[in-house]
Amino acid sequence: QKEVEQNSGPLSVPEGAIASLNCTYSDRGSQSFFWYRQYSGKSPELIMSIYSNGDKEDGRFTAQLNKASQYVSLLIRDSQPSDSATYLCAVNGRANFGNEKLTFGTGTRLTIIP
Amino acid sequence: KAGVTQTPRYLIKTRGQQVTLSCSPISGHRSVSWYQQTPGQGLQFLFEYFSETQRNKGNFPGRFSGRQFSNSRSEMNVSTLELGDSALYLCASSLVGTATDTQYFGPGTRLTVL
Repeated sequence: QKEVEQNSGPLSVPEGAIASLNCTYSDRGSQSFFWYRQYSGKSPELIMSIYSNGDKEDGRFTAQLNKASQYVSLLIRDSQPSDSATYLCAVNGRANFGNEKLTFGTGTRLTIIP
Repeated sequence: KAGVTQTPRYLIKTRGQQVTLSCSPISGHRSVSWYQQTPGQGLQFLFEYFSETQRNKGNFPGRFSGRQFSNSRSEMNVSTLELGDSALYLCASSLVGTATDTQYFGPGTRLTVL
């Protein structure tokens, strides 16, 4: 089982609709969860971080965390063509020497259809 | 505040050669992490440096090494290049590299091994 799993997509959503991206993780001790957006040929940029169970909203983006079920999701409301990108879920975990490291999912490719 | 910078942006090498990549973190950031991104494997953690010390290491062979200087700038080196080393190498910096620290990515170095 992969440490962080995402549906690779592609996920196609009409413009103006809600895009829902999901991520599951295996390490129950994980405390920090991040969503990054990566445009083709560019580096990842942070969209949201969430540390507690529940919802966290920032503009059109809402991150949801359920530690009991070990999943984190990202909702994008009023989807725009500029939201078309790959979305990476990242979860903190323990590295070889007991320190923290981020583990990334393979990403979900989202396409917003005008 | 200037972002994370990486040099060079593009490199073409042949098998057996070695390469050195450079990363300058955001001013004030002391933790630098390196990742390899390929279409098949996604973002994979290479190592993390803090105060000139390697704190974390991913599951990569010893051909991959790095170091960090007193000004927090970091370099990674890959010796005896193989075709499979062709990838986007990303550097990310954060304040101190704790679980809740946000990592900010540089633009990456695209390495092609022929």
